[in-house]
Amino acid sequence: GAVVSQHPSRVICKSGTSVKIECRSLDFQATTMFWYRQFPKQSLMLMATSNEGSKATYEQGVEKDKFLINHASLTLSTLTVTSAHPEDSSFYICSAALGAGGTDTQYFGPGTRLTVL
Amino acid sequence: GQQLNQSPQSMFIQEGEDVSMNCTSSSIFNTWLWYKQDPGEGPVLLIALYKAGELTSNGRLTAQFGITRKDSFLNISASIPSDVGIYFCAGRFRGSTLGRLYFGRGTQLTVWP
Repeated sequence: GAVVSQHPSRVICKSGTSVKIECRSLDFQATTMFWYRQFPKQSLMLMATSNEGSKATYEQGVEKDKFLINHASLTLSTLTVTSAHPEDSSFYICSAALGAGGTDTQYFGPGTRLTVL
Repeated sequence: GQQLNQSPQSMFIQEGEDVSMNCTSSSIFNTWLWYKQDPGEGPVLLIALYKAGELTSNGRLTAQFGITRKDSFLNISASIPSDVGIYFCAGRFRGSTLGRLYFGRGTQLTVWP
């Protein structure tokens, strides 16, 4: 149980294009999903918290207009990197929260490797 | 933001040895989680802790929620080559909004056969 998938697993795009990454909770409903970014040999950096049916909450320094998040259902959240540039190349990981209140646990997807040429 | 200090940063051990790593925070936490991440993959949950003093095992892994609620440790007994990876502690402190987690910097574990 508690499986989270991401699609695509890797994507290579040209500078200036937009890329959409999907995050799905396969066997549970997740009111809250999280999007992280990870650089090589570093820890996970939270970008935004996504709540079903409402606007995402972005961390300080993360551009809302560049990283568009949509959480249209209890099993799907999407992250769109708009007008991608080489500096956006990174490993993007989502997680979905299972449980309620203080005991909810985050389960992570397998990640999406984005390379912007 | 909240700071989690995870140590050691890296470990090089021989197969069969035991491993211990820990995490400390400056704030009181009400949840501690330990994850393992393999290269190119997302973190996989190993153990979740919700109560101060709680000691939980998962196979050869044992983790404890410190009684001060500001620390946690993870032990791996009789290490094997597949234990190689990066181990992250993560926690949620009392009053954390939206359930966000704070992560340690990770412990890179290398196991030599």
